[in-house]
Amino acid sequence: NAGVTQTPKFQVLKTGQSMTLQCAQDMNHNSMYWYRQDPGMGLRLIYYSASEGTTDKGEVPNGYNVSRLNKREFSLRLESAAPSQTSVYFCASRLISSANYGYTFGSGTRLTVV
Amino acid sequence: AQSVTQLGSHVSVSEGALVLLRCNYSSSVPPYLFWYVQYPNQGLQLLLKYTTGATLVKGINGFEAEFKKSETSFHLTKPSAHMSDAAEYFCVVSDQAGTALIFGKGTTLSVSS
Repeated sequence: NAGVTQTPKFQVLKTGQSMTLQCAQDMNHNSMYWYRQDPGMGLRLIYYSASEGTTDKGEVPNGYNVSRLNKREFSLRLESAAPSQTSVYFCASRLISSANYGYTFGSGTRLTVV
Repeated sequence: AQSVTQLGSHVSVSEGALVLLRCNYSSSVPPYLFWYVQYPNQGLQLLLKYTTGATLVKGINGFEAEFKKSETSFHLTKPSAHMSDAAEYFCVVSDQAGTALIFGKGTTLSVSS
């Protein structure tokens, strides 16, 4: 099925461990995004990639890094996980980085850091 | 800078009643506005969007929203609630550069029989 695929769906990490969240889209979209969702906070932008080869910080980038591996894939890395990074992470994509375009979202990764 | 405020973090209605979810935005440029819905343990789905043109926008599942520039509002309505409408709803504005979407904090809709 066409769309945005995130892996894994669930993950438990110990403080200080590292991991990479994977995201891939097969809609030939140019722009990709990583958000985190916390109760009562809505979704907050971590990083985004407006086009292949570019990445930029969003509202809450500290503690994260990203890689736009190719047009399809955009990964999010936690180098040293902290309990404050316990959250649900959503990857999204859109055809172009233009104000009137909406996103297509993945189903999310639920991350717990203990 | 663009921002959205959703009035009421939780709204409860009876099945068949009117649904009204309130959203006000702040934008220094003509806004592009969206409503997304998130069903329990799922990703987010686009309900409707306003870009230009007609100020009354119709979306999926019988929802609609009206853009009112004078009130800086984009409230979401549905004439008759259904149990399946229970979800979290997000009002969203595009940032000025169009590079990303800015989300409100969400309103959880509960529907009782």
